[in-house]
Amino acid sequence: QKEVEQNSGPLSVPEGAIASLNCTYSDRGSQSFFWYRQYSGKSPELIMFIYSNGDKEDGRFTAQLNKASQYVSLLIRDSQPSDSATYLCAVHSNTGNQFYFGTGTSLTVIP
Amino acid sequence: NAGVTQTPKFQVLKTGQSMTLQCAQDMNHNSMYWYRQDPGMGLRLIYYSASEGTTDKGEVPNGYNVSRLNKREFSLRLESAAPSQTSVYFCASSAYFGDQPQHFGDGTRLSIL
Repeated sequence: QKEVEQNSGPLSVPEGAIASLNCTYSDRGSQSFFWYRQYSGKSPELIMFIYSNGDKEDGRFTAQLNKASQYVSLLIRDSQPSDSATYLCAVHSNTGNQFYFGTGTSLTVIP
Repeated sequence: NAGVTQTPKFQVLKTGQSMTLQCAQDMNHNSMYWYRQDPGMGLRLIYYSASEGTTDKGEVPNGYNVSRLNKREFSLRLESAAPSQTSVYFCASSAYFGDQPQHFGDGTRLSIL
C-alpha cells in the first residue's frame, strides 16, 4: 500500500465548474498536508497547506482535511483553463519523519 | 528573486560515470531536500537536510550521497551512475522541516545511457 494515494485521472471539467481532487494517506499520525500544482515540464508549486481538520479556503481553492478518515481533498471553484495541470498531494509522515507525494491527478478544464 | 537554483538543467551521462547536482537557495531556509520524479511514480524523497550540518535518508537513498555544504547549498552526488537513475531531479527548501511548505527548483533532467 502506498503512503499517499491519488486517482491519476485524467479528470475533465468544463470551465466554470468545480473540480474536486482527492487524496488518502496511510499514516494516521501524519500532521501536515500540502497541495502542489505542476504544469507539464515544470516544477511543483505550492497551492495550499492544511494542518487541522475541516476546511481552509484561499481564493478559488478550498482544502478539506478529515484525519479520522485519513482523507484530504482540494476543491477548485470556477475552474479556468489555466488550472489544467497535475495536482500533487503531499503528506509529512511522523513515522520515520518522511515526506510522501502522491502520483498526482491530471486535471483538464475544457473551455 | 531566484528562490531555489539548480544546476545543471540537463545532463547526459554514461553508465558508471559520476556527477554532482548542485542546489542553492537564497530564502534563508533551514531545510533542504532532494527528490526524483519518474513517470507513474510521483515525487520520491532521496535525502533531506533538516538543518545545516545534518542529513538523513529519504525513501530512495540507494546510489546517492549528499552534502549540506552550508545553509544555502545542498548537493546530490551519483558516484557510479546507472540507467535506473535516469529521472528528473528536484531540489526543494523550506523554512523548517515538517510542517512548512517546500519551494522547488526548476529541476535537472538527467539521462544515463
